[in-house]
Amino acid sequence: EAGVVQSPRYKIIEKKQPVAFWCNPISGHNTLYWYLQNLGQGPELLIRYENEEAVDDSQLPKDRFSAERLKGVDSTLKIQPAELGDSAVYLCASSLSGQNNSPLHFGNGTRLTVT
Amino acid sequence: LAKTTQPISMDSYEGQEVNITCSHNNIATNDYITWYQQFPSQGPRFIIQGYKTKVTNEVASLFIPADRKSSTLSLPRVSLSDTAVYYCLVGDSSGAGSYQLTFGKGTKLSVIP
Repeated sequence: EAGVVQSPRYKIIEKKQPVAFWCNPISGHNTLYWYLQNLGQGPELLIRYENEEAVDDSQLPKDRFSAERLKGVDSTLKIQPAELGDSAVYLCASSLSGQNNSPLHFGNGTRLTVT
Repeated sequence: LAKTTQPISMDSYEGQEVNITCSHNNIATNDYITWYQQFPSQGPRFIIQGYKTKVTNEVASLFIPADRKSSTLSLPRVSLSDTAVYYCLVGDSSGAGSYQLTFGKGTKLSVIP
């Protein structure tokens, strides 16, 4: 089966510019996650979707971050405007369900550099 | 909140068995324990999952004692390609009813030739 696909792989932008990341989950996976990973740290959850509904966005900085998952398949994460501290790897993952015995399948992430 | 504690790093020689222990004292009754492996510039990859006792697959074994307050990932006969960061996850239920999987900092395993 095809894995989780993310694009772009790398992105370099200047601060205050907008940026968007795209994720295509594994077919049939109802749950989609966006994580942020800083160097040397574990991934941190930003938002979790069950189909098209965001069921946990408590860690998403809503003043500048937004996400959508139209039709419950692909998802887009946007930052506007970007800040220097947003430089990190943004990981998308999907799972069959949101139950904790449903393993997550991760994409390889988008490495964002804000200059 | 269910949190995990793992050693920050471990070194091992090729061909040895490696055991990485994770503490999760506040694990909830319905929580599973899941381990992931992450190589540089890649997303984490599922290794193994268990609820109690022992689970084994083609890659690793997972040992979970009866009280489930810890778990041990066992990698038999490691090779250089097993050099990676290993994460132990359990559920993290807040009082507001939300549920999320929280990654710690993981254990950086270095396999030495």
